[in-house]
Amino acid sequence: GQNIDQPTEMTATEGAIVQINCTYQTSGFNGLFWYQQHAGEAPTFLSYNVLDGLEEKGRFSSFLSRSKGYSYLLLKELQMKDSASYLCAVSGDTGRRALTFGSGTRLQVQP
Amino acid sequence: DTEVTQTPKHLVMGMTNKKSLKCEQHMGHRAMYWYKQKAKKPPELMFVYSYEKLSINESVPSRFSPECPNSSLLNLHLHALQPEDSALYLCASSHPRGGTQETQYFGPGTRLLVL
Repeated sequence: GQNIDQPTEMTATEGAIVQINCTYQTSGFNGLFWYQQHAGEAPTFLSYNVLDGLEEKGRFSSFLSRSKGYSYLLLKELQMKDSASYLCAVSGDTGRRALTFGSGTRLQVQP
Repeated sequence: DTEVTQTPKHLVMGMTNKKSLKCEQHMGHRAMYWYKQKAKKPPELMFVYSYEKLSINESVPSRFSPECPNSSLLNLHLHALQPEDSALYLCASSHPRGGTQETQYFGPGTRLLVL
């Protein structure tokens, strides 16, 4: 089976750094994705990790530890527009090739 | 170009109506997906097409009928829906084979209201 856990809500201050954690237990692993979703809009792709380590992409970075079943998304220099839900998703069994999403973390950036 | 388009943007239908949702992509992706998303919940997978063949059906009720006429188009036919089917319906596409190519790109969704 697939189980993905993320905090439900987080609050941070404009200009600060926030880390959103994701733990997963899946039957098979073919990569972990982070998506951003603003209210009423479609998810947009942020990052992909399949090997252990840190992937950096501008203000956003994502980390993966496969042995621990753990990932985090790091957002630096927070802006008001970063207020959104952040979805952790895992691609599981090779034969299945479909994403299982965590429940999402709603991030509120305050002035 | 990472655009997936969906029509209509909004749809209101009665429980006896028949309607269709449409999705189109021109990225050369050969995997296409339908998701259902309720408010404040993550997307839930409904169907996956790989190379125009249905590869995953997540035990979706038969009142939802998917169709993939060609590699660029994906339809979702709706018939005799229930009010609880009201949701945002998202289409996505990706390459069907491995690594970063598995990244799914989502369309803007169709917001469906069943009365």
